[in-house]
Amino acid sequence: SQKIEQNSEALNIQEGKTATLTCNYTNYSPAYLQWYRQDPGRGPVFLLLIRENEKEKRKERLKVTFDTTLKQSLFHITASQPADSATYLCALDMSNNAGNMLTFGGGTRLMVKP
Amino acid sequence: DTAVSQTPKYLVTQMGNDKSIKCEQNLGHDTMYWYKQDSKKFLKIMFSYNNKELIINETVPNRFSPKSPDKAHLNLHINSLELGDSAVYFCASSQGPEPFYGYTFGSGTRLTVV
Repeated sequence: SQKIEQNSEALNIQEGKTATLTCNYTNYSPAYLQWYRQDPGRGPVFLLLIRENEKEKRKERLKVTFDTTLKQSLFHITASQPADSATYLCALDMSNNAGNMLTFGGGTRLMVKP
Repeated sequence: DTAVSQTPKYLVTQMGNDKSIKCEQNLGHDTMYWYKQDSKKFLKIMFSYNNKELIINETVPNRFSPKSPDKAHLNLHINSLELGDSAVYFCASSQGPEPFYGYTFGSGTRLTVV
């Protein structure tokens, strides 16, 4: 069965450093991969989408890479700030005969300390 | 203006009761979803509707019945509530069912069955 793995342990970094979060998947070849941010008590917020033929995507301080050979996506936040503290979820397009649907990883909690 | 709104935000009820959660989106999106987030924070898709038509039903018990009166609304009715139904339920929408659209989530409904 398809599996999406994100580091379930919290990632603690110092303000100003680059945070790197990992999303690994098995038994599937998604055409699209998305990243979301979720704050406590709130719904996930869409951040970035990357296609399988794109190696890298950037948006302001965010950068996502997608390595279909390694079956891995990396999510980077440069010059991190305490306001970046949240849980970050990766989501893969796992379409089947029923239709297209996003399947989410368990998320990684990021804590940026001032 | 809230893009995807869910009511109620909190719902505490006894086992065996029937309850409904309402969802409305004002984004003009064609596709709406229900996701369940359990205590381990995994988001799992339950249903997907495109233009009021059910397109995904991910092996959800028959006690859960979604209803979409129009493409801006997707309600969730749950019969005979069980303890295991306790979770946060998120409604989401996207421009279309294709996997290259990001999702917009509501803020969630925390259901507690006692």
